[in-house]
Amino acid sequence: AQKITQTQPGMFVQEKEAVTLDCTYDTSDQSYGLFWYKQPSSGEMIFLIYQGSYDEQNATEGRYSLNFQKARKSANLVISASQLGDSAMYFCAMSLTGGFKTIFGAGTRLFVKA
Amino acid sequence: GAVVSQHPSRVICKSGTSVKIECRSLDFQATTMFWYRQFPKKSLMLMATSNEGSKATYEQGVEKDKFLINHASLTLSTLTVTSAHPEDSSFYICSARDLGFQETQYFGPGTRLLVL
Repeated sequence: AQKITQTQPGMFVQEKEAVTLDCTYDTSDQSYGLFWYKQPSSGEMIFLIYQGSYDEQNATEGRYSLNFQKARKSANLVISASQLGDSAMYFCAMSLTGGFKTIFGAGTRLFVKA
Repeated sequence: GAVVSQHPSRVICKSGTSVKIECRSLDFQATTMFWYRQFPKKSLMLMATSNEGSKATYEQGVEKDKFLINHASLTLSTLTVTSAHPEDSSFYICSARDLGFQETQYFGPGTRLLVL
């Protein structure tokens, strides 16, 4: 069975500093995708970044990068130069290739301090 | 990224009435859409997978007669909460998968349902 684990219920970071949000996953499949979503207080789910299981390089999207360690089954999100607007809930997710459903972790709430 | 709309954004209804929520993919075709429910400070709970032209696939514990799903076209799925009760009050979010782009799921803005 597939599973996503986010062990940090809450995180604090100083504005302009970098922060890493942890995510580990479990699957016996070889082909899968890993995602990170941001959910601000408004409730909308905002897609941040994607990593395919066969991608050899870590994904990057602006200030977001995904530290993909396949052997460890981890897919940590790194946010560089944190901004006050980064304060939100962050969800790690995984889906198997082929249109199957996506499963989500419990989420990490990030607080950025001025 | 792709755009998914959801309507209404908020709805308040009386107990016993039915509420319909629409989910539309605006710039791509979605043969599969997903309906989630989210309780305060909790993760998303998948309720059902909506398949265009066929019956929805419900997750274990979700009442299919309570939560009716219709996926009539490649861009529209609807969730109807029938005979709503206060315990159905929640945040409902739909998503659609863009198979043309990394199979990423794009989410609608959500619907806050309050049943009085």
